[in-house]
Amino acid sequence: DVKLLESGGGLVQPGGSLRLSCEASGFVFSAYAMTWVRQAPGKGLQWVSGISASGNTIDYADSVKGRFTISRDKSTNTMFLHMNNLRAEDTAVYYCAKVGWNTMIRGGFDHWGQGTLVTVSS
Amino acid sequence: EIVLTQSPATLSLSPGERATLSCRASQSINNYLAWYQQKPGQAPRLLIYDASNRATGIPARFSGSGSGTDFTLTISSLEPEDFAVYYCQQRGTFGPGTKVDI
Repeated sequence: DVKLLESGGGLVQPGGSLRLSCEASGFVFSAYAMTWVRQAPGKGLQWVSGISASGNTIDYADSVKGRFTISRDKSTNTMFLHMNNLRAEDTAVYYCAKVGWNTMIRGGFDHWGQGTLVTVSS
Repeated sequence: EIVLTQSPATLSLSPGERATLSCRASQSINNYLAWYQQKPGQAPRLLIYDASNRATGIPARFSGSGSGTDFTLTISSLEPEDFAVYYCQQRGTFGPGTKVDI
């Protein structure tokens, strides 16, 4: 079974940093693109960032570009999201998801983690 | 940047009825559209990928169609567990969602 387990969320002050992790199992991690999607309280889904299977293609939403960094480690089957200069509007549940293809072009996000809550507040 | 528009915002139906949800893209997206279902407190679940392919384990009452800029998710006969919010998605863009309620 595919499993995705996020960790690293919590309460952080504006301007602070957090690192989210997504530990993957049950599939060949190096063969699929991965992505982060967030959902603010009571709001819809917002894509945050994606990374291709090889790690060579990385994309960010404009709202996080320059502040967030996505990466992946094939030795530990883990994807990361380094978040710097956090703002109140970054408060959300952050989901990691597996893409059904080696890039984000197609295939949909076919498996999701349970999400980790990031709260940015003083 | 592609914009996805979903209609209607809310669809009020009864179990057994047919649901038709629309997603329109601001430019052609080569059929690379996905549909998700989300229930309160749960992660989204992939229903349809590449416009018309049902994801693993998705019941046959869910079907997707369309191409270019206009796409449709159809639920042929609503079951009680189908009342939820549905999102369409293409690469880094999600639509605003359609809530299907009783």
